[in-house]
Amino acid sequence: DIQMTQSPSTLSASVGDRVTITCRASQSISKWLAWYQQKPGTAPKLLIYQASSLQRGAPSRFSASGSETEFTLTISSLQPDDFATYYCQQYHSYPLTFGGGSKVEIK
Amino acid sequence: VQLGESGGGLVQPGRSLRLSCEASGFNFDYYWMHWVRQAPGKGLEWVSRINIDGSSTDYADSVKGRFTISRDNAKNTLFLQMSALRAEDTAVYYCTRSPTTATIFDQWGLGTLVTVSS
Repeated sequence: DIQMTQSPSTLSASVGDRVTITCRASQSISKWLAWYQQKPGTAPKLLIYQASSLQRGAPSRFSASGSETEFTLTISSLQPDDFATYYCQQYHSYPLTFGGGSKVEIK
Repeated sequence: VQLGESGGGLVQPGRSLRLSCEASGFNFDYYWMHWVRQAPGKGLEWVSRINIDGSSTDYADSVKGRFTISRDNAKNTLFLQMSALRAEDTAVYYCTRSPTTATIFDQWGLGTLVTVSS
């Protein structure tokens, strides 16, 4: 199975900050990576697919990059609505696996 | 687009439960469907997937042999039959869909809570 490791697990930031979250795969997954945002008590929402493609409807302040084993999600200017937990997910092979999550908290 | 799960609840260890997910607002039989779960306070875990016509399925090792995914395209409904339930199966179960071109979860239901406890 492909293991996905996210860092940091928790991040404290202020509105307006630039925030970067990292996701590492235990083996190469090419660009088969997605990012999700989840707020407490709600279902996750797809933000990014194929490593860097913004899902329709996701704000343009979200961007992502990477390939093979190293990926990043960046929020260019953190907004109040962005305080949430973010998960990466590989879809290179089954079983599909998620990272452990990165919680973005208010500083 | 809506996905609505039902069938969750409190069940004793070793017993069975069947989850349903009713889909609306899109062509159900154009999409692969999945179940993803989330234990209380924990991360996301993919559980199972089924292809468009139900002829192909896949399972996480943690549920293989105990859970069965199926679908009824005529009723736009996805199912998850869970048997031999364990305490570690306690989670919110989400119904999700993925386009055939990429196994990403572009729509999610609200989830249904399954609690396995005596």
